[in-house]
Amino acid sequence: TQLLEQSPQFLSIQEGENLTVYCNSSSVFSSLQWYRQEPGEGPVLLVTVVTGGEVKKLKRLTFQFGDARKDSSLHITAAQPGDTGLYLCAGNAGNMLTFGGGTRLMVKP
Amino acid sequence: GAVVSQHPSRVICKSGTSVKIECRSLDFQATTMFWYRQFPKQSLMLMATSNEGSKATYEQGVEKDKFLINHASLTLSTLTVTSAHPEDSSFYICSAIAPSGGARTDTQYFGPGTRLTVL
Repeated sequence: TQLLEQSPQFLSIQEGENLTVYCNSSSVFSSLQWYRQEPGEGPVLLVTVVTGGEVKKLKRLTFQFGDARKDSSLHITAAQPGDTGLYLCAGNAGNMLTFGGGTRLMVKP
Repeated sequence: GAVVSQHPSRVICKSGTSVKIECRSLDFQATTMFWYRQFPKQSLMLMATSNEGSKATYEQGVEKDKFLINHASLTLSTLTVTSAHPEDSSFYICSAIAPSGGARTDTQYFGPGTRLTVL
């Protein structure tokens, strides 16, 4: 069974602060996806990383895939209240997604 | 990006009744769809993989006779919760794999979810 450990589970920060969410596994994934989910809605895809060592940027969000394709991180610069939500990482193996436990982020104005 | 819809978005039913949830890929054909369940403040748990034209594959611990899945076309999968009980109350989310068009990996796109409440 492939497991993805996501940390931290909860994060409450002030507007303007930086933060990093980690996603770690002992398994290798063909790709890893990051989603953001609002209450009562389905997850929305933020990014897919495929190549070991890959770094992708989406405005103030920076995603990195580990060299061995076992771990990933999401870094948010100068967080804003609009970034509040549940962030989920999901490892892809054979088109099956294994989800991390999620990081619930709250950014206070 | 690819769009996946679910219907209904919210349903309340009495214990013992059956509820059908539809999942549609609106602008692409999906040979594979997935059904997840999410309890409050938790992550998504895969229930089953739905393959067009064949039987669904259920994850360990998910009763196939209770959660009936039908993937009759390339754009529609349905999940029927039979003889629903209060413990079946949850947020049910489907996803569909959109063709990658030559990219190395296909991507799952998620529906907006269905909130089921069993009284």
